[in-house]
Amino acid sequence: DAKTTQPTSMDCAEGRAANLPCNHSTISGNEYVYWYRQIHSQGPQYIIHGLKNNETNEMASLIITEDRKSSTLILPHATLRDTAVYYCIVRDYKLSFGAGTTVTVRA
Amino acid sequence: EAGVAQSPRYKIIEKRQSVAFWCNPISGHATLYWYQQILGQGPKLLIQFQNNGVVDDSQLPKDRFSAERLKGVDSTLKIQPAKLEDSAVYLCASSLRQDSYNEQFFGPGTRLTVL
Repeated sequence: DAKTTQPTSMDCAEGRAANLPCNHSTISGNEYVYWYRQIHSQGPQYIIHGLKNNETNEMASLIITEDRKSSTLILPHATLRDTAVYYCIVRDYKLSFGAGTTVTVRA
Repeated sequence: EAGVAQSPRYKIIEKRQSVAFWCNPISGHATLYWYQQILGQGPKLLIQFQNNGVVDDSQLPKDRFSAERLKGVDSTLKIQPAKLEDSAVYLCASSLRQDSYNEQFFGPGTRLTVL
């Protein structure tokens, strides 16, 4: 019952910015957009979340469109350690994970 | 700060056997979650506790799965009897509170193989 659509996979070059898109066209006004990532053989790790405004922290930036129907997670300088599955989640009262985007950072 | 602890990390059993997993959340976290993650899929919430009470167990197969958090701290998840389709990683997570913008911290998971 995931409410988001993400590409299955994407590659990016080490040191370059990685832009991960997410569509959430049925999002409602009080639902937040969350991003988690899961490195191989580890549990998911929180990255960032937002409601309407763009957000930035030490890991990433989150850009949410004005109509809130899509968002982009930006990893400003991707490293090999950023290789992981990235989950975009529209959260009402719980986290509902989809299949996510498998991001491979190449040297 | 210590993270979410889970044990065992790996378990192999035969179908129809029983198995139990243990989770110790981050100290002070009132909310505890158990997720099931089948290979190639995202985690699926099985049950959520607020202190020692169940908030959501709508996705828990109650004919064979049970979970408890008796003292509002650590928790156990049990499967009895196991089926082949229960092969998965079982993740425990905790958060300070259950409100929607609270970050969840995940443990490393227990990988269960049912033969």
